[in-house]
Amino acid sequence: DAGITQSPRHKVTETGTPVTLRCHQTENHRYMYWYRQDPGHGLRLIHYSYGVKDTDKGEVSDGYSVSRSKTEDFLLTLESATSSQTSVYFCAISDQGFQETQYFGPGTRLLVL
Amino acid sequence: LAKTTQPISMDSYEGQEVNITCSHNNIATNDYITWYQQFPSQGPRFIIQGYKTKVTNEVASLFIPADRKSSTLSLPRVSLSDTAVYYCLVGETGTASKLTFGTGTRLQVTL
Repeated sequence: DAGITQSPRHKVTETGTPVTLRCHQTENHRYMYWYRQDPGHGLRLIHYSYGVKDTDKGEVSDGYSVSRSKTEDFLLTLESATSSQTSVYFCAISDQGFQETQYFGPGTRLLVL
Repeated sequence: LAKTTQPISMDSYEGQEVNITCSHNNIATNDYITWYQQFPSQGPRFIIQGYKTKVTNEVASLFIPADRKSSTLSLPRVSLSDTAVYYCLVGETGTASKLTFGTGTRLQVTL
């Protein structure tokens, strides 16, 4: 399995608080992605990165920001968490580009009360 | 935008061949079609990818007709461990912002 870890794996927080999720890879892959998964919606892309400090928005980026200061780390921040952001968040990586095979992390389950 | 449409669920008996079809009417010229498998509480895992005609690997085959508006994932002789959700992904050229996973097909394999 690709070396991808996510932290925390589970988190419960309250509405209005900031939350940061971390994705860490040991594969030196250039591309990193954040997805959310909700019942009835499948996987939806939030943000992605195509290099250090190079990021762009995905399909459902409102309410989220990201940062990538090192190749191995991609952070997803919810500036002020809302109940609608309760979800399972997956990080993924790929080597050559968007259509290359993506390797997914184990996921972070977030509950916003 | 190359949205995808898949059946919500399918049932099969162990040992049968399963075919899951994905519709992607607006697929772009340079798009590839990729299928992923997801077990509960895990991230998706790559199964197979193709551009046209037929692709086969050790776990599945992918059939893509000439017009590329659909694709079919074929799983030969499924087992209970193939029970999972299967996603069809069609990539837009040049930007990941258009990457779309379908809602997936939940395959249930029973004895």
